Amino acid sequence: DGGITQSPKYLFRKEGQNVTLSCEQNLNHDAMYWYRQDPGQGLRLIYYSQIVNDFQKGDIAEGYSVSREKKESFPLTVTSAQKNPTAFYLCASSMKDRGNQPQHFGDGTRLSIL
Amino acid sequence: AQSVTQLGSHVSVSEGALVLLRCNYSSSVPPYLFWYVQYPNQGLQLLLKYTTGATLVKGINGFEAEFKKSETSFHLTKPSAHMSDAAEYFCAVRPFGNEKLTFGTGTRLTIIP
Repeated sequence: DGGITQSPKYLFRKEGQNVTLSCEQNLNHDAMYWYRQDPGQGLRLIYYSQIVNDFQKGDIAEGYSVSREKKESFPLTVTSAQKNPTAFYLCASSMKDRGNQPQHFGDGTRLSIL
Repeated sequence: AQSVTQLGSHVSVSEGALVLLRCNYSSSVPPYLFWYVQYPNQGLQLLLKYTTGATLVKGINGFEAEFKKSETSFHLTKPSAHMSDAAEYFCAVRPFGNEKLTFGTGTRLTIIP
């Protein structure tokens, strides 16, 4: 079955450490997205990519970095510069379009600080 | 810039009662509108979407929503609540030509037996 796989499901970060969250999709979608979810704040866009080797900052990109070397993969690195990384991170993908295609979501990674 | 307001962060209804979750949006251009559902520790699942055409949209699990341009609303309804409907619901807007989806802050639906 086609879908989006996020790993790991739970991740712990030590102070000063960078951690990378994996997102892989086999839906043949061009566009991929990373969101951060905090209680009571909905989803906030971190980064998005419409095509391989290109990506744009979202609303809260500081302290995060991404790469898009393959169409299927869009890993997110939470750097030590992100001072409040504890959150639920969601990856999504969609067909590249004018906006009427829905985004499909993975099951998320919960990041906590040790 | 577009925004989405979901009135009521928590809504409780009795099993079998009407479910009404409210969503209002602001957008300078015609929007595409979506409702998603999230169960604990899972991702978001699409319930329904409005793009063009009929303003009453039917989705999965018996939910439907009506796009009212004059009221800038896209409220989600279900005639009879079921225990399995307990979840968090998100309304989202994506204006035509815009790459980004803007989400509301969510409404947690509790079903009372």
